[in-house]
Amino acid sequence: GAVVSQHPSWVICKSGTSVKIECRSLDFQATTMFWYRQFPKQSLMLMATSNEGSKATYEQGVEKDKFLINHASLTLSTLTVTSAHPEDSSFYICSAREKVRGSREQYFGPGTRLTVT
Amino acid sequence: QKEVEQDPGPLSVPEGAIVSLNCTYSNSAFQYFMWYRQYSRKGPELLMYTYSSGNKEDGRFTAQVDKSSKYISLFIRDSQPSDSATYLCAMTRSGNTPLVFGKGTRLSVIA
Repeated sequence: GAVVSQHPSWVICKSGTSVKIECRSLDFQATTMFWYRQFPKQSLMLMATSNEGSKATYEQGVEKDKFLINHASLTLSTLTVTSAHPEDSSFYICSAREKVRGSREQYFGPGTRLTVT
Repeated sequence: QKEVEQDPGPLSVPEGAIVSLNCTYSNSAFQYFMWYRQYSRKGPELLMYTYSSGNKEDGRFTAQVDKSSKYISLFIRDSQPSDSATYLCAMTRSGNTPLVFGKGTRLSVIA
Protein backbone atom coordinates (compact mmCIF):
# COMPACT_ATOMS: atom_id res chain seq x y z
CA GLY A 1 0.00 0.00 0.00
CA ALA A 2 0.81 3.74 0.05
CA VAL A 3 2.12 3.98 -3.49
CA VAL A 4 2.74 7.28 -5.21
CA SER A 5 3.45 7.43 -8.92
CA GLN A 6 4.89 10.17 -11.06
CA HIS A 7 4.76 10.69 -14.78
CA PRO A 8 6.90 11.12 -16.73
CA SER A 9 9.95 9.62 -15.05
CA TRP A 10 12.21 11.74 -17.22
CA VAL A 11 11.70 14.45 -19.78
CA ILE A 12 13.90 16.52 -22.05
CA CYS A 13 12.48 19.77 -23.35
CA LYS A 14 13.67 22.83 -25.19
CA SER A 15 14.17 26.15 -23.48
CA GLY A 16 10.99 28.22 -23.47
CA THR A 17 8.56 25.32 -23.52
CA SER A 18 6.35 24.14 -20.64
CA VAL A 19 6.41 20.75 -19.00
CA LYS A 20 3.70 19.12 -16.89
CA ILE A 21 4.50 16.50 -14.25
CA GLU A 22 1.76 14.36 -12.74
CA CYS A 23 1.72 12.93 -9.23
CA ARG A 24 -0.84 10.32 -8.25
CA SER A 25 -1.57 8.49 -5.02
CA LEU A 26 -2.56 5.05 -6.29
CA ASP A 27 -4.10 3.32 -3.29
CA PHE A 28 -4.99 6.08 -0.85
CA GLN A 29 -6.53 9.51 -0.72
CA ALA A 30 -4.10 12.33 -0.19
CA THR A 31 -5.32 15.45 1.53
CA THR A 32 -2.00 17.13 1.02
CA MET A 33 0.67 16.79 -1.61
CA PHE A 34 4.13 18.30 -1.59
CA TRP A 35 6.52 19.13 -4.40
CA TYR A 36 10.26 19.01 -3.90
CA ARG A 37 13.29 19.73 -5.98
CA GLN A 38 16.59 17.95 -5.51
CA PHE A 39 20.00 18.76 -6.93
CA PRO A 40 22.71 16.07 -7.19
CA LYS A 41 24.01 14.93 -3.81
CA GLN A 42 21.85 17.43 -1.99
CA SER A 43 18.81 17.06 0.21
CA LEU A 44 15.22 17.74 -0.76
CA MET A 45 14.12 21.33 -1.15
CA LEU A 46 10.43 21.90 -0.54
CA MET A 47 8.88 23.99 -3.30
CA ALA A 48 5.21 24.05 -2.38
CA THR A 49 2.44 22.42 -0.41
CA SER A 50 -0.93 21.80 -2.01
CA ASN A 51 -4.20 20.83 -0.40
CA GLU A 52 -6.99 19.36 -2.47
CA GLY A 53 -9.32 22.04 -3.76
CA SER A 54 -7.28 25.02 -2.62
CA LYS A 55 -4.37 27.10 -3.88
CA ALA A 56 -0.86 25.86 -3.26
CA THR A 57 1.37 27.44 -0.65
CA TYR A 58 4.78 28.22 -2.09
CA GLU A 59 8.03 28.37 -0.17
CA GLN A 60 9.99 31.58 -0.12
CA GLY A 61 11.93 32.10 -3.31
CA VAL A 62 9.78 29.78 -5.44
CA GLU A 63 8.00 31.60 -8.25
CA LYS A 64 4.35 30.59 -8.26
CA ASP A 65 3.85 31.85 -11.82
CA LYS A 66 6.68 29.69 -13.05
CA PHE A 67 5.82 26.53 -11.12
CA LEU A 68 2.08 26.08 -11.44
CA ILE A 69 0.57 23.54 -9.10
CA ASN A 70 -2.90 22.10 -9.39
CA HIS A 71 -4.40 19.66 -6.88
CA ALA A 72 -7.69 18.86 -8.53
CA SER A 73 -8.56 15.68 -6.66
CA LEU A 74 -7.57 13.61 -3.65
CA THR A 75 -5.38 11.44 -5.84
CA LEU A 76 -3.83 13.81 -8.37
CA SER A 77 -1.59 16.85 -8.27
CA THR A 78 0.27 18.38 -11.21
CA LEU A 79 3.31 20.62 -11.43
CA THR A 80 3.77 22.63 -14.60
CA VAL A 81 7.13 24.24 -15.22
CA THR A 82 6.34 27.15 -17.51
CA SER A 83 8.82 28.66 -19.96
CA ALA A 84 11.49 26.27 -18.79
CA HIS A 85 15.15 27.30 -18.82
CA PRO A 86 18.30 25.22 -18.39
CA GLU A 87 18.57 26.29 -14.74
CA ASP A 88 15.23 24.53 -14.13
CA SER A 89 16.89 21.22 -14.92
CA SER A 90 16.60 19.15 -11.78
CA PHE A 91 15.03 16.12 -10.12
CA TYR A 92 11.44 16.88 -9.10
CA ILE A 93 9.79 14.67 -6.52
CA CYS A 94 6.26 14.73 -5.20
CA SER A 95 4.97 13.26 -1.99
CA ALA A 96 1.54 12.66 -0.52
CA ARG A 97 0.16 12.57 2.98
CA GLU A 98 -2.70 10.19 3.59
CA LYS A 99 -6.12 11.50 4.60
CA VAL A 100 -6.14 9.76 7.97
CA ARG A 101 -6.64 11.66 11.19
CA GLY A 102 -3.38 12.13 13.03
CA SER A 103 -1.22 10.56 10.34
CA ARG A 104 1.92 12.42 9.36
CA GLU A 105 3.38 9.66 7.23
CA GLN A 106 4.42 10.98 3.86
CA TYR A 107 5.03 8.84 0.81
CA PHE A 108 7.20 9.87 -2.11
CA GLY A 109 6.93 9.30 -5.79
CA PRO A 110 9.89 7.97 -7.80
CA GLY A 111 10.78 11.42 -9.11
CA THR A 112 10.94 13.09 -12.51
CA ARG A 113 14.23 14.09 -14.03
CA LEU A 114 13.84 17.25 -16.10
CA THR A 115 16.51 18.35 -18.54
CA VAL A 116 16.04 21.64 -20.34
CA THR A 117 18.26 22.15 -23.38
CA GLN B 1 21.59 26.67 13.98
CA LYS B 2 19.69 24.56 11.46
CA GLU B 3 16.45 22.99 12.63
CA VAL B 4 17.70 19.49 11.84
CA GLU B 5 21.35 18.47 11.80
CA GLN B 6 22.56 15.27 10.17
CA ASP B 7 26.12 14.23 9.41
CA PRO B 8 26.34 13.79 5.61
CA GLY B 9 29.05 11.15 5.84
CA PRO B 10 29.98 9.28 3.77
CA LEU B 11 29.87 6.34 6.13
CA SER B 12 31.49 3.11 4.99
CA VAL B 13 31.03 -0.15 6.91
CA PRO B 14 31.72 -3.85 6.23
CA GLU B 15 28.87 -6.21 5.50
CA GLY B 16 27.28 -7.52 8.69
CA ALA B 17 28.13 -4.47 10.78
CA ILE B 18 25.66 -2.58 12.92
CA VAL B 19 25.08 0.89 11.52
CA SER B 20 24.07 3.84 13.65
CA LEU B 21 22.64 6.94 11.97
CA ASN B 22 21.68 10.02 13.94
CA CYS B 23 20.00 13.40 13.78
CA THR B 24 19.66 16.21 16.24
CA TYR B 25 17.06 18.92 16.14
CA SER B 26 16.33 22.21 17.83
CA ASN B 27 12.55 22.59 17.64
CA SER B 28 10.93 21.02 20.71
CA ALA B 29 7.55 21.12 18.94
CA PHE B 30 8.52 18.23 16.66
CA GLN B 31 6.50 15.15 17.55
CA TYR B 32 6.54 12.96 14.44
CA PHE B 33 9.80 11.45 13.27
CA MET B 34 10.61 9.54 10.12
CA TRP B 35 13.54 7.86 8.44
CA TYR B 36 13.72 7.58 4.67
CA ARG B 37 16.09 5.63 2.45
CA GLN B 38 16.92 7.06 -0.95
CA TYR B 39 18.76 5.21 -3.67
CA SER B 40 20.49 7.21 -6.37
CA ARG B 41 18.04 8.82 -8.80
CA LYS B 42 15.01 7.45 -6.95
CA GLY B 43 12.41 8.95 -4.65
CA PRO B 44 12.81 8.52 -0.87
CA GLU B 45 11.26 5.39 0.64
CA LEU B 46 9.69 5.57 4.09
CA LEU B 47 11.48 3.16 6.44
CA MET B 48 10.32 4.07 9.92
CA TYR B 49 7.67 6.34 11.42
CA THR B 50 7.60 7.17 15.12
CA TYR B 51 5.38 9.38 17.18
CA SER B 52 6.96 11.05 20.22
CA SER B 53 9.68 9.33 22.26
CA GLY B 54 10.51 5.65 22.33
CA ASN B 55 11.77 2.79 20.24
CA LYS B 56 10.32 1.07 17.22
CA GLU B 57 11.64 -2.05 15.58
CA ASP B 58 10.96 -3.42 12.12
CA GLY B 59 13.10 -6.32 10.98
CA ARG B 60 16.73 -5.24 10.92
CA PHE B 61 15.81 -1.60 11.56
CA THR B 62 15.32 0.08 14.92
CA ALA B 63 14.34 3.72 15.34
CA GLN B 64 14.88 5.56 18.60
CA VAL B 65 13.58 8.97 19.62
CA ASP B 66 14.81 10.84 22.68
CA LYS B 67 12.81 14.05 22.85
CA SER B 68 14.52 15.19 26.06
CA SER B 69 17.84 15.27 24.18
CA LYS B 70 16.29 16.21 20.83
CA TYR B 71 18.08 13.25 19.29
CA ILE B 72 16.88 10.49 16.99
CA SER B 73 18.67 7.40 15.75
CA LEU B 74 18.28 4.65 13.20
CA PHE B 75 20.09 1.36 13.75
CA ILE B 76 20.60 -1.18 10.99
CA ARG B 77 21.60 -4.67 12.12
CA ASP B 78 23.42 -7.16 9.91
CA SER B 79 23.95 -4.51 7.25
CA GLN B 80 23.90 -5.65 3.63
CA PRO B 81 25.38 -4.14 0.45
CA SER B 82 21.78 -3.46 -0.62
CA ASP B 83 21.49 -1.07 2.33
CA SER B 84 23.94 1.26 0.56
CA ALA B 85 21.94 4.44 0.05
CA THR B 86 21.37 7.88 1.49
CA TYR B 87 19.36 7.93 4.72
CA LEU B 88 17.31 11.01 5.50
CA CYS B 89 15.76 11.86 8.82
CA ALA B 90 12.61 13.96 8.77
CA MET B 91 10.31 15.38 11.36
CA THR B 92 7.28 17.57 11.82
CA ARG B 93 5.01 19.00 14.48
CA SER B 94 1.26 18.82 14.88
CA GLY B 95 -1.01 20.24 12.24
CA ASN B 96 -0.63 19.79 8.53
CA THR B 97 2.92 21.10 8.40
CA PRO B 98 5.63 20.00 5.95
CA LEU B 99 8.43 17.68 6.97
CA VAL B 100 11.78 19.18 7.86
CA PHE B 101 14.58 17.04 6.49
CA GLY B 102 18.15 16.46 7.50
CA LYS B 103 20.75 16.66 4.74
CA GLY B 104 21.01 12.88 4.56
CA THR B 105 23.84 10.46 5.38
CA ARG B 106 25.42 8.49 2.56
CA LEU B 107 26.03 4.91 3.63
CA SER B 108 28.14 2.32 1.83
CA VAL B 109 28.11 -1.29 2.98
CA ILE B 110 31.11 -3.11 1.59
CA ALA B 111 30.86 -6.84 0.79
